[in-house]
Amino acid sequence: KNEVEQSPQNLTAQEGEFITINCSYSVGISALHWLQQHPGGGIVSLFMLSSGKKKHGRLIATINIQEKHSSLHITASHPRDSAVYICAGQYNTDKLIFGTGTRLQVFP
Amino acid sequence: KAGVTQTPRYLIKTRGQQVTLSCSPISGHRSVSWYQQTPGQGLQFLFEYFSETQRNKGNFPGRFSGRQFSNSRSEMNVSTLELGDSALYLCASRPPGQGFSPLHFGNGTRLTVT
Repeated sequence: KNEVEQSPQNLTAQEGEFITINCSYSVGISALHWLQQHPGGGIVSLFMLSSGKKKHGRLIATINIQEKHSSLHITASHPRDSAVYICAGQYNTDKLIFGTGTRLQVFP
Repeated sequence: KAGVTQTPRYLIKTRGQQVTLSCSPISGHRSVSWYQQTPGQGLQFLFEYFSETQRNKGNFPGRFSGRQFSNSRSEMNVSTLELGDSALYLCASRPPGQGFSPLHFGNGTRLTVT
């Protein structure tokens, strides 16, 4: 069983829809990362959080330490948001355990 | 400021050969970590270096090794290549003294083993 589970695996949406991607982890972590990967492979770090909620533009990330659960929300989705979104638990220093990713496609 | 630079971008090698990949972190970053991404296993942690010392290693065979130089540049080496080593290899760097700051990733080196 993977220590970090993501759902859904695939997600399609119409432009403007509100999107939620979920991530749960089985053991305690020091921080949780949300990453975005576009075709071609480059990865961009969206958020790193250890408690509460963070917001950047149309993106919001939340984490519930007691429930070992995090969510990534995208408000007013746009076709340029189409990418693979990956959550990763940070267990110590830079050792990350990754989820399997959520492939998001937003259609105009 | 230049981002994390990985070279080469693409590499084709034959089974049994060895390969060296390079990663130059953002100026001032002293922590460099390496990751392997394959379609079957997804992203997996390889190792992490800080001030020329390996701090953590993932569950990979001894054929995978790395090092970090005094200028924080890092290299990883894979010896006796196998077909299953075909993957995208990513490195990331982090500012010093900020264990809870986001990682900055390079664009990766795509290795194909034939």
